[in-house]
Amino acid sequence: QVQLVQSGAEVKKPGASVKVSCKASGYTFTSYDINWVRQATGQGLEWMGWMNPNSGNTDYAQKFQGRVTMTRSTSISTAYMELGSLRSEDTAVYYCARRYYDSSGYSYGFDYWGQGTLVTVSS
Amino acid sequence: EIVLTQSPGTLSLSPGERATLSCRASQSISSNYLAWYQQKPGQAPRLLIYGASSRATGIPDRFSGRGSGTDFTLTISKLEPEDFAVYYCQQYVSSPRTFGQGTKVEI
Repeated sequence: QVQLVQSGAEVKKPGASVKVSCKASGYTFTSYDINWVRQATGQGLEWMGWMNPNSGNTDYAQKFQGRVTMTRSTSISTAYMELGSLRSEDTAVYYCARRYYDSSGYSYGFDYWGQGTLVTVSS
Repeated sequence: EIVLTQSPGTLSLSPGERATLSCRASQSISSNYLAWYQQKPGQAPRLLIYGASSRATGIPDRFSGRGSGTDFTLTISKLEPEDFAVYYCQQYVSSPRTFGQGTKVEI
């Protein structure tokens, strides 16, 4: 069965960086995009960007340009999201999510999600 | 950027009642690439509807989506106790792949 398993909670100081991992299993990792979405406590969902695991191509939300880097290791079917220059407002749960599309290229949205990784930024 | 506005912010209903949630886009969403997600406290979102009206795998048929262009609706025909949650719409046709602010369905 398809699973996305994320790394554990992190506590970081302002100005530091955090790198969250998302290990995929149950499907061909390079076949579908991985997106990153975050959610501050009590707030809505915020899309951060996506990565094509096959090519490594990325597309980041303008808000995070220059601070976020999405990478992958195809040998271990794992995607990574690194966010730098952390500030208190970055305290949130970070999710990875797969965007599924069929052989014709028709997209079905984000059909599988990781369990979330809490990142706390505090001095 | 496509802005999605959901209404109402909160819907107070009882089990067995019908829920109608709205999602309006600031510009037309082509290919009807509009999805609905359900999120319960402490859980990741779950895909309910994709392509504006297609139910995802395993989603009960009391959930239905309709709409096109800029106006979309999620209907829950008869609320079950487990349906009380927050619902988000999302467009995934263009970047950034924006979400609405959510509608909370509460008892």
